[in-house]
Amino acid sequence: DAGVTQSPTHLIKTRGQQVTLRCSPKSGHDTVSWYQQALGQGPQFIFQYYEEEERQRGNFPDRFSGHQFPNYSSELNVNALLLGDSALYLCASSLYRANYNEQFFGPGTRLTVL
Amino acid sequence: AQRVTQPEKLLSVFKGAPVELKCNYSYSGSPELFWYVQYSRQRLQLLLRHISRESIKGFTADLNKGETSFHLKKPFAQEEDSAMYYCALTEALFSGGYNKLIFGAGTRLAVHP
Repeated sequence: DAGVTQSPTHLIKTRGQQVTLRCSPKSGHDTVSWYQQALGQGPQFIFQYYEEEERQRGNFPDRFSGHQFPNYSSELNVNALLLGDSALYLCASSLYRANYNEQFFGPGTRLTVL
Repeated sequence: AQRVTQPEKLLSVFKGAPVELKCNYSYSGSPELFWYVQYSRQRLQLLLRHISRESIKGFTADLNKGETSFHLKKPFAQEEDSAMYYCALTEALFSGGYNKLIFGAGTRLAVHP
């Protein structure tokens, strides 16, 4: 099991563009969470998907949207990119019905907005 | 407001010295506390959680609800402990469910030979 995988590894966009990041959860996991980690900061929760629906959302604008597919993989979409969206985007997966469910993180996608 | 505070951005110690990474939290419900670690060029991974009361790689952390703290300790630091350490909390969900993590800003531990 490769664990949580994310693609692409790096991405460079310009202001105003749109971007899609992808995540495949750890085998057996059904819940995917996305986090934004700005330089020098801890990860900040964006949203969480379970059963193809957004279940929780952090303090992020509607420009940030997502999707979960039947195979539990997920996408994060960001529209109208701003310079401040430059960050490492982390995906984490977990199992909804596990006790004390641990989140497993992917390696991240580094997004640079110019 | 839900918040995790790690007051030190950098903690620099010599090999064999004791280590204490500080974490304070603010949370209105019943939290579950974690320490995550990120070694150089590796992904973020769970080090330990308060509920399990384990010692992982010689590290321990005790939840002090009165002081709302969850400091990470190790009696004798090793060079391989050098990494970024993040304290995090979530609502205690003992039967599964949605569990967003709230992270602190992290403390870089540098252990010198």
